[in-house]
Amino acid sequence: NAGVTQTPKFRILKIGQSMTLQCTQDMNHNYMYWYRQDPGMGLKLIYYSVGAGITDKGEVPNGYNVSRSTTEDFPLRLELAAPSQTSVYFCASSYPGYGGRTDEQFFGPGTRLTVL
Amino acid sequence: AQKVTQAQTEISVVEKEDVTLDCVYETRDTTYYLFWYKQPPSGELVFLIRRNSFDEQNEISGRYSWNFQKSTSSFNFTITASQVVDSAVYFCALSETGGQNFVFGPGTRLSVLP
Repeated sequence: NAGVTQTPKFRILKIGQSMTLQCTQDMNHNYMYWYRQDPGMGLKLIYYSVGAGITDKGEVPNGYNVSRSTTEDFPLRLELAAPSQTSVYFCASSYPGYGGRTDEQFFGPGTRLTVL
Repeated sequence: AQKVTQAQTEISVVEKEDVTLDCVYETRDTTYYLFWYKQPPSGELVFLIRRNSFDEQNEISGRYSWNFQKSTSSFNFTITASQVVDSAVYFCALSETGGQNFVFGPGTRLSVLP
C-alpha cells in the first residue's frame, strides 16, 4: 500500500493563479480531509469528506473548493491564489466511524505552497 | 465547540531526562476520541496513540506513556529517558463522535539536547 499520496510536493504560484492539489489513498478509507499548516502553527481543517459525493466545510474553507467523485481521490482546488494561502497542505484519510468510533488519520507527506 | 490547548509552546531537555507534554481539551460530547501525533523535522505526521472517552486507563508503550484524566479534561504524554530522536513537534487532537471533525492543538516543540 502506498497509503496517502499527494502531488505536487512543492509549488510556487503567483497571486491570482489557480491550481489543484491532488490527494489519493489506496486504503479504501471513506473519510478524507484537507488541512493547512502555517509556519510554526498547528493544523487547521479546510474541508472533509465522509464518502464519494459528500463534502463539507471545516474551519477555514474560504478560497478553496473540493470534490470527491471517487473513494480514492480528494483534490483541493485553489482559485485566485493569495499570499495568505502560503502554507503546507496535508491530506489525510481514516476509516469510517462505525458506531461513532473514530479511527486515527493517516497523513500524506504534504504539499508546500508559496504564493508570491 | 471543541478545543485543544497545549500550553507549552517549546520544551528543551537534555538527553535521558523525562519530559511530560500537556494537553487540555474542551468538548460537550460524552463520547469523543483523543490522539497524539508526532511531526519530526522531516515534516510528516506520525500517529502515536488513540484513546476514547470511556477508557481512562493509562497506557505505556516503551518509553512513551499517556495519562488520561476526564476529571481535569487532560491527556498528557510522557517520554521517559528522552533521546535526541524524540525531537519533534507533538500535537494533541480531539474528535467528537463520528470522526468528521478533528481539532488539533497548536503543538509543543520538543528539543532533546545531547
